[in-house]
Amino acid sequence: SQKIEQNSEALNIQEGKTATLTCNYTNYSPAYLQWYRQDPGRGPVFLLLIRENEKEKRKERLKVTFDTTLKQSLFHITASQPADSATYLCALGGNFNKFYFGSGTKLNVKP
Amino acid sequence: GAVVSQHPSWVICKSGTSVKIECRSLDFQATTMFWYRQFPKKSLMLMATSNEGSKATYEQGVEKDKFLINHASLTLSTLTVTSAHPEDSSFYICSANRQGLKNIQYFGAGTRLSVL
Repeated sequence: SQKIEQNSEALNIQEGKTATLTCNYTNYSPAYLQWYRQDPGRGPVFLLLIRENEKEKRKERLKVTFDTTLKQSLFHITASQPADSATYLCALGGNFNKFYFGSGTKLNVKP
Repeated sequence: GAVVSQHPSWVICKSGTSVKIECRSLDFQATTMFWYRQFPKKSLMLMATSNEGSKATYEQGVEKDKFLINHASLTLSTLTVTSAHPEDSSFYICSANRQGLKNIQYFGAGTRLSVL
């Protein structure tokens, strides 16, 4: 079965720096990959989607890369702000609209 | 747009009772709704996929008779946890796809279930 790995340790960075989160996967070839943000006690919120034939996607301060050879996606937040502090989940998409989520990485942006 | 409402947000019940959780798409029609379960600091575990007017498709290991799903309309799906036990205590989250945007899921705020 598919396995999705995100760094379980929290990522602590200083405000203004770039945060980089990693998502690695095995035993799967997703048609696309997504990143979601989840705040404590809340449901995830969709951020970005990148397809298997795309290398990079940007949205405002967010950038996602997708390397299907390495089976890895990187999620970057530039000029990070304390309001960016949350848990970020990657999700693999494929057949039948099913999504498989990683366990998420908690980001702490310190002022 | 694309708001998904989940109710209740928090419920406490006695062991042996049943609990119903509602998931509504408020401003769009949802062709498919999904039900997830999430343990603390763990990933979302897909429980079942629900299509309007048809039986839900359950993931392996999820008990159909334990977690009853009804998708009565294009805007409403319900999850009923029957004969709840303390081990059913968890955070349950629903999500929905918009027609024509199957690659994006819109999530409800989740329901915290505590079974005493």
